[in-house]
Amino acid sequence: SAVISQKPSRDICQRGTSLTIQCQVDSQVTMMFWYRQQPGQSLTLIATANQGSEATYESGFVIDKFPISRPNLTFSTLTVSNMSPEDSSIYLCSVKTGGGYEQYFGPGTRLTVT
Amino acid sequence: AQSVSQHNHHVILSEAASLELGCNYSYGGTVNLFWYVQYPGQHLQLLLKYFSGDPLVKGIKGFEAEFIKSKFSFNLRKPSVQWSDTAEYFCAVARGGYQKVTFGTGTKLQVIP
Repeated sequence: SAVISQKPSRDICQRGTSLTIQCQVDSQVTMMFWYRQQPGQSLTLIATANQGSEATYESGFVIDKFPISRPNLTFSTLTVSNMSPEDSSIYLCSVKTGGGYEQYFGPGTRLTVT
Repeated sequence: AQSVSQHNHHVILSEAASLELGCNYSYGGTVNLFWYVQYPGQHLQLLLKYFSGDPLVKGIKGFEAEFIKSKFSFNLRKPSVQWSDTAEYFCAVARGGYQKVTFGTGTKLQVIP
């Protein structure tokens, strides 16, 4: 498993601004993922962040809106750009360790856009 | 597209009752299956997983799940629930060879003392 931390844990932001969320892992991992969990809904994968290459985005998510950085094997950031109230959600970072398919999740960042 | 269905959105049980939460998926090939749990105020934790072999898998805290390939199901069970099992439970599926995991909509379990 892995210990994952996220910053900030929560934030309230104004429409039109941007927020960068940080994800730190206590060990080197090859794959990191960013999810969104909107109120009352399940987790939706935003993108896969791969160290040394560009992130891979899922349908419905674009780099201009959700730019991702992955400078090393223990850290990644997700930026939510030009926010609107529809971006209010919990944003989760997860990692995959070893050869299995299971993922381990961070505590999440609760974002409210007013 | 692959989908994961959890039929029960909200389940209320008394302590010591038996639990079974349903999970069905749509993909017909090789799958890797998971149940995650999110306790109030805590982050998602892996409860159990199935990759291959014995279709009955045991997880933490007395939970188990059975993979029935013919039914595309991976139901979660516990013979006797406790108040501390109050949480939201998510079923998740990854197609064999792919990293992407698809989550179900979750089931909120409330255990009444």
